[in-house]
Amino acid sequence: QVLLVESGGGLVKPGGSLRLSCAVFGFTFNDHSMNWFRQAPGKGLEWVSHINTRSTYTNYADSVKGRFTISRDNDKNTLYLQMISLRVEDTAIYYCARRGLGERPDDYWGQGTLVTVS
Amino acid sequence: DIVMTQSPDSLAVSLGEGATITCKSSQTILYTSSNKNQLAWYQQKPGQPPKLLIYWASTRESGVPDRFSGSGSGTDFTLTISSLQAEDVAVYYCQQYYAAPTFGQGTAVEI
Repeated sequence: QVLLVESGGGLVKPGGSLRLSCAVFGFTFNDHSMNWFRQAPGKGLEWVSHINTRSTYTNYADSVKGRFTISRDNDKNTLYLQMISLRVEDTAIYYCARRGLGERPDDYWGQGTLVTVS
Repeated sequence: DIVMTQSPDSLAVSLGEGATITCKSSQTILYTSSNKNQLAWYQQKPGQPPKLLIYWASTRESGVPDRFSGSGSGTDFTLTISSLQAEDVAVYYCQQYYAAPTFGQGTAVEI
């Protein structure tokens, strides 16, 4: 059974830092590229960052570029998002998601972890 | 960025009736090499993450009821729910994954 479990969210002051983790289970982690998405309270979905299977390619939304860093540890089956210089507008539920194989989209999502910047 | 525009923003449908949501992309999202539109539809219920319903614009994800169907190509796409059930009350999003993913603003479907 495929499972993604985020952790690391919480309350942080503007300018602060947090590191989110996403532990995955039930599939071969290093076969899949991964994404982070977020959803501000009562708002729509926003892509945040992408990493390929071997960490040789990463990409970021303009809104987080230079402040967030995505990484992964294939030995630990874990995805990370290091966030610094947090802003009030970064307040959101952060989801990790597995990109499907063969041109499939993000097919499995975690339950999310709430980050509140206040 | 590829802009995705959904309509309507909300939709009230009677049980058993049909519902149609449209999604338009600001540029084509058809991979010519595979001839597959990089368009997905997601369903999100309160307090839950998005659930994948449809990909390649018209391929139903495993386990998704066949009352959900997708159509369209190029820049214009449609999600149809043929006979609304109570459990279909949710917000529906289209997503393009041709480039860095972007979503429509969402359509809230209610009874």
